[in-house]
Amino acid sequence: EDKVVQSPLSLVVHEGDTVTLNCSYEVTNFRSLLWYKQEKKAPTFLFMLTSSGIEKKSGRLSSILDKKELSSILNITATQTGDSAIYLCAVEISSNTGKLIFGQGTTLQVKP
Amino acid sequence: NAGVTQTPKFQVLKTGQSMTLQCAQDMNHNSMYWYRQDPGMGLRLIYYSASEGTTDKGEVPNGYNVSRLNKREFSLRLESAAPSQTSVYFCASSADQPQHFGDGTRLSIL
Repeated sequence: EDKVVQSPLSLVVHEGDTVTLNCSYEVTNFRSLLWYKQEKKAPTFLFMLTSSGIEKKSGRLSSILDKKELSSILNITATQTGDSAIYLCAVEISSNTGKLIFGQGTTLQVKP
Repeated sequence: NAGVTQTPKFQVLKTGQSMTLQCAQDMNHNSMYWYRQDPGMGLRLIYYSASEGTTDKGEVPNGYNVSRLNKREFSLRLESAAPSQTSVYFCASSADQPQHFGDGTRLSIL
């Protein structure tokens, strides 16, 4: 059974801290790994990592894919209150259908 | 820039009632998806449509039906609502990756 597991499930930090969110997966047919940020409503896309693109960075956020360890991390440096959200990791398991398997999500709260 | 539009945003039903959730996208995407989100469980795929005219079951299809009405629209139907179907429902669409999500429908079954 395909499975994606995120840790920790929740995290509370103070502004300025650096956080690392983890995502591990066991799937039969890996195509890509995606990170999403979800505030009040729709999840919004952050990064997509594939075998040919294992590291992505945008501003204070960065992500790395470790295909050997079947895992990925999402780093956020110098956190701000606006980073408070649920962070979702998903693995694409089929190129024909685009199906994603999501982890449980990590709820991040950044306190002023 | 409408993207993915879901209606309604909120709905309260009684057990046994039926309901159709509507989803439309204006990005000319081939694939569309329905998910449900419950606390602590991330997003779980209910049904998907890889292209117009096709639909397939996801992880949790029981109690639901779908219709891909045309390339733009993909609806989700609850024939006889149960309290276990209380959830937030998201529709998504994609050409490849990433998937683009609507704002969700919060559904409560009493």
